Amino acid sequence: QVQLVQSGAEVKKPGASVKVSCKASGYTFTGYYMHWVRQAPGQGLEWMGWINPNSGGTNYAQKFQGRVTMTRDTSISTAYMELSRLRSDDTAVYYCARATPYSSWVDYWGQGTLVTVSS
Amino acid sequence: EIVLTQSPGTLSLSPGERATLSCRASQSVSSSYLAWYQQKPGQAPRLLIYGASSRATGIPDRFSGSGSGTDFTLTISRLEPEDFAVYYCQQYGSSPLMTFGQGTKVEIK
Repeated sequence: QVQLVQSGAEVKKPGASVKVSCKASGYTFTGYYMHWVRQAPGQGLEWMGWINPNSGGTNYAQKFQGRVTMTRDTSISTAYMELSRLRSDDTAVYYCARATPYSSWVDYWGQGTLVTVSS
Repeated sequence: EIVLTQSPGTLSLSPGERATLSCRASQSVSSSYLAWYQQKPGQAPRLLIYGASSRATGIPDRFSGSGSGTDFTLTISRLEPEDFAVYYCQQYGSSPLMTFGQGTKVEIK
């Protein structure tokens, strides 16, 4: 069965960077895009971007351009999302979510990783 | 940016009742690019509907989606206890590529 297992919770200081991992299993990792979506406490969902694990190509939301980097390691079927220059309003649960290439929806989600930014 | 506005913010209903959730877009959205998700507390969202009206794998037929252009609807024909949750609509294709509505909470009356 499809599973996306994310790394554990992180606490970071303002200005630092965080790197969240998402290990995929149960399907061909390079056959699906990986999106990243975040959710601030008590708030809605915010799309950050996607990576094509096959080519490494990425598409980032303009809001995060210059601060976010999405990468992958196909040898271990893992996608990564790194967010730099963290601010307190980056405190959120970060989700990875799988999508068929060129589809407009995500069908499987990771369990989420809480990133807390606090001095 | 296409803004999705969901209404009502909260829907208070009893098990067995019908729930009708609205999602209105600030610009026309292709039906192919409209999806609905369910989220329960402490859990990741779950895909319910894609392409405005197609049920995702394993989703009961009491969930249905409809609409076109700027107005979309998620209907739950008879609420089961496990259906009380927050529901989000989502569009794809306009910058930013993916945006979500603010959510509708379906709570037990």
